[in-house]
Amino acid sequence: DTGVSQDPRHKITKRGQNVTFRCDPISEHNRLYWYRQTLGQGPEFLTYFQNEAQLEKSRLLSDRFSAERPKGSFSTLEIQRTEQGDSAMYLCASSSDRGNFATNEKLFFGSGTQLSVL
Amino acid sequence: QKEVEQDPGPLSVPEGAIVSLNCTYSNSAFQYFMWYRQYSRKGPELLMYTYSSGNKEDGRFTAQVDKSSKYISLFIRDSQPSDSATYLCAMSDGYNQGGKLIFGQGTELSVKP
Repeated sequence: DTGVSQDPRHKITKRGQNVTFRCDPISEHNRLYWYRQTLGQGPEFLTYFQNEAQLEKSRLLSDRFSAERPKGSFSTLEIQRTEQGDSAMYLCASSSDRGNFATNEKLFFGSGTQLSVL
Repeated sequence: QKEVEQDPGPLSVPEGAIVSLNCTYSNSAFQYFMWYRQYSRKGPELLMYTYSSGNKEDGRFTAQVDKSSKYISLFIRDSQPSDSATYLCAMSDGYNQGGKLIFGQGTELSVKP
């Protein structure tokens, strides 16, 4: 198990283009999260999946953003009609709910996808 | 006002110093408190995890939680250059048993040899 994997590591795009990021969680983890981190700030929660079900979405996730997790395995995050304000590091994390209540809060993060919108 | 406040630093200390990092928060429902370390161009890595008030020690790291004051701390003893990173506090109320963490801004730490 190599941890949470994200692809690509870097993405440069022009304003108005669509982009898609992929996340492969730790194999035994059934929960998957997307966070966004801008320079000098902590990560901000975007959305989370329990298996294939998307259970919560932040107000930060406008209708230009869509996330999927088909079959409860990998996940994709798509941004349509990108704007310069979308430039950020997009982080994926995973966890398992099969431990005790306390361990459910332990998230393991990937290295992120750095998006630059020109 | 942000739910979690953290001094962004930067903080520079000599090797071997004791480092104190702190966060304050406003939401009394928070029960789970974490410290993450983030190296440049990497994702956050979980360092310490505490439930409710109290202290927890792991090697050179000690985490303290004072829920009455809504204040948490991370102490690093005998700091090393390899500890140079950004340290993020994070919290959760655990309400939905999910990982919706609220992060502080992060404190950038530099340990000079």
